[in-house]
Amino acid sequence: EMQLVESGGGLVQPGGSLRLSCAASGFTFSSYWMNWVRQAPGKGLEWVANIKQDGGEKYYVDSVKGRFTISRDNAQNSLYLQMNSLRAEDTAVFYCARSKKGGGHNFDFWGRGTLVTVSS
Amino acid sequence: AIWMTQSPSLVSASTGDRVTISCRMSQGISSYLAWYQQKPGKAPELLIYAASTLQSGVPSRFSGSGSGTDFTLTISCLQSEDFATYYCQQYYSFPLTFGGGTKVEIK
Repeated sequence: EMQLVESGGGLVQPGGSLRLSCAASGFTFSSYWMNWVRQAPGKGLEWVANIKQDGGEKYYVDSVKGRFTISRDNAQNSLYLQMNSLRAEDTAVFYCARSKKGGGHNFDFWGRGTLVTVSS
Repeated sequence: AIWMTQSPSLVSASTGDRVTISCRMSQGISSYLAWYQQKPGKAPELLIYAASTLQSGVPSRFSGSGSGTDFTLTISCLQSEDFATYYCQQYYSFPLTFGGGTKVEIK
């Protein structure tokens, strides 16, 4: 059974840091682009970042450039998001999502999400 | 960035109704468009990609059409399990972007 399980969310003060993890199983993780997508409470979806299979290409939404870093460990079947200089507007559920193979960057499998709350 | 205007933001409908949701792009994206369904407290699920290709396992009452700047998601005969929020997403260029969402509620 395919699974994506996010962890690492929690309450952090503005300006603080947090590292999210996503553990993949049930598919060949190293064969897929992977993404982080977030959703602020009661709001819509926002793509945050993605990373190529070998980690050689990474893309970010402008609002997180220079603050967030996406990475992966194919040996551990894991995806990460290092988040620094966090702001109140970063408060959201963060989802790990897989890009559809050969189908472009649409997301055919998602984790259940982890909640990040930035507040003093 | 490519801006997406999704309409309407809210649809009130009954079981058996035909529902149509629109997504308009600020620039042409060929057919690089996907549609998702999201239920409260759950992750989104892919319904359609490449504007009109049904994802495996998705019921045939869902269909997508369009290319360039104007796209449509149609639910031909609304079922109780279809009451949810629907999002379009373009993957023509970075940053990847989503429409604002359409909530389909029970009339």
